[in-house]
Amino acid sequence: DVKVTQSSRYLVKRTGEKVFLECVQDMDHENMFWYRQDPGLGLRLIYFSYDVKMKEKGDIPEGYSVSREKKERFSLILESASTNQTSMYLCASSFWAGSTGELFFGEGSRLTVL
Amino acid sequence: SQQGEEDPQALSIQEGENATMNCSYKTSINNLQWYRQNSGRGLVHLILIRSNEREKHSGRLRVTLDTSKKSSSLLITASRAADTASYFCATSTAGKSTFGDGTTLTVKP
Repeated sequence: DVKVTQSSRYLVKRTGEKVFLECVQDMDHENMFWYRQDPGLGLRLIYFSYDVKMKEKGDIPEGYSVSREKKERFSLILESASTNQTSMYLCASSFWAGSTGELFFGEGSRLTVL
Repeated sequence: SQQGEEDPQALSIQEGENATMNCSYKTSINNLQWYRQNSGRGLVHLILIRSNEREKHSGRLRVTLDTSKKSSSLLITASRAADTASYFCATSTAGKSTFGDGTTLTVKP
């Protein structure tokens, strides 16, 4: 079974802190994605990556950056956390490069910024 | 605004009844997928229908796609309490998937 593992299920951080959310997949997928999920807004794409060291902005990249140094790992970085970044963050991966097949999701990281 | 919008936002039915959820979208798509999310968990893929397909079945799930109306429906037959979850449609274009707000389904035992 494909497994997408997010490093933390729950985090509480203070405004201005730097936050790292880690995501690892074990199926050699080329594509990896970071979404945030908020009530009434659905899932919104923050960043995605089709290959190592490659990244593309999604619909709401402001305030975030990403890193993909190895194929299996895709990190989301909040350089200076703000209260409006309190949310559920979902990492996903998929197999087909250049296309979109089935997305495999992690369990999510619920971040609270105080 | 979201590419996919589900309707209704919430649906409550009795066990054994059928549940129908609808999804409308705005632009051309390569495929449309349906996902399920249990409370506080990640999403799980249910079924994918390609833009040149009209209907697809998987177990108790039936998905239809009408590209002329830019809409899709998900039918869950003979629902069970374990089907209680949120259901999302996702449209795929140019390598990215865009999700709607979801339909929250409650199946009462």
